[in-house]
Amino acid sequence: SQQGEEDPQALSIQEGENATMNCSYKTSINNLQWYRQNSGRGLVHLILIRSNEREKHSGRLRVTLDTSKKSSSLLITASRAADTASYFCATDVQGAQKLVFGQGTRLTINP
Amino acid sequence: GAVVSQHPSRVICKSGTSVKIECRSLDFQATTMFWYRQFPKKSLMLMATSNEGSKATYEQGVEKDKFLINHASLTLSTLTVTSAHPEDSSFYICSAFIAASTDTQYFGPGTRLTVL
Repeated sequence: SQQGEEDPQALSIQEGENATMNCSYKTSINNLQWYRQNSGRGLVHLILIRSNEREKHSGRLRVTLDTSKKSSSLLITASRAADTASYFCATDVQGAQKLVFGQGTRLTINP
Repeated sequence: GAVVSQHPSRVICKSGTSVKIECRSLDFQATTMFWYRQFPKKSLMLMATSNEGSKATYEQGVEKDKFLINHASLTLSTLTVTSAHPEDSSFYICSAFIAASTDTQYFGPGTRLTVL
């Protein structure tokens, strides 16, 4: 079952602007991960944040995690046309090895 | 980084036939592999967890007799869609855990199945 809710479902911005996507989940987690998927392709792992971490950076990506609110955000700074893709959060549910994916945000970067 | 491959990348078949999709971990051993399906513009839905040498664990609502999973070795899991119907048309993606780490899943490129 899907436990992640992402918003917005779709986001369209101009190149150079920042893009923020949010993810909420329901159960206790070990970690939360963000993935990118280009249309019709596989998933690319972007970043993993553990339940005891609050913020993590990787290049132009910044991820926050608030376990008290059961939410996470992904910020992409200085967006580029190549960032156009769908972005999914996935939670590693405690007690289970499997990942549960959010509904995803379709990001479009307009040149 | 770890690589997971899937074969075929795209398959078209007639209704009623069976289709086998392979998922291989190319440079690591995977004790656990996962199978997902994804409908257009939707998220990934976990179908089953495949453990090497044992029976797969299916998610609620997934027919185990329709989606046969075999994980015969530490580098190969197969998903067979039996008696495929048009509603089985979907994007099927596998992923694998590195045996020494339970944090990181590596995803295959996916298989597009179209049932006519």
